Amino acid sequence: GAGVSQSPSNKVTEKGKDVELRCDPISGHTALYWYRQSLGQGLEFLIYFQGNSAPDKSGLPSDRFSAERTGGSVSTLTIQRTQQEDSAVYLCASSRRTSGGGETQYFGPGTRLLVL
Amino acid sequence: AQSVAQPEDQVNVAEGNPLTVKCTYSVSGNPYLFWYVQYPNRGLQFLLKYITGDNLVKGSYGFEAEFNKSQTSFHLKKPSALVSDSALYFCAVRDMNYGQNFVFGPGTRLSVLP
Repeated sequence: GAGVSQSPSNKVTEKGKDVELRCDPISGHTALYWYRQSLGQGLEFLIYFQGNSAPDKSGLPSDRFSAERTGGSVSTLTIQRTQQEDSAVYLCASSRRTSGGGETQYFGPGTRLLVL
Repeated sequence: AQSVAQPEDQVNVAEGNPLTVKCTYSVSGNPYLFWYVQYPNRGLQFLLKYITGDNLVKGSYGFEAEFNKSQTSFHLKKPSALVSDSALYFCAVRDMNYGQNFVFGPGTRLSVLP
């Protein structure tokens, strides 16, 4: 079946502009995660959605970052007034319900963001 | 709080030799442990996980990992490395008693030399 998809695959923007990154999770997956991966670095957790519950926003680095998930499916990560340090690969992952804790996350290919 | 360490930034191994990529973790409760692999310009692919039961877990592409509670380790192993195994490997942990977040290690770059 179809995996997690993300768009765009690459985004170049100018400092100060807003950007929107999109994630389409695997159908039926109720949990959705956003991560940031800077060049040569590990994954930094940003935000987590589970069903209709309030999202866990504890990883968002500043109030310029926000995310929403419409209808429990597609998610959009928005970065306002982008800065050069926002340049990174933004990865989305989805999984089945996480009440048990051991569910596997499936990752999309990522969006490579470059802020000039 | 939970944390993951991958003490080696880079591991080099000759093709055909066994490989080990190390991972240690710290959690307050019982851990769920995962290994992912990332090939160039690709997202992360799931390799294997430990939830409960047998300490030796077998996963994709001939990889396996052993959960060692006393040493808080979950090292990734493969008996015979292939050049195509060259990639970036991430260990991740989720504490059963601590929220829903995964914590990923910094990654280890594996190079298999022909």
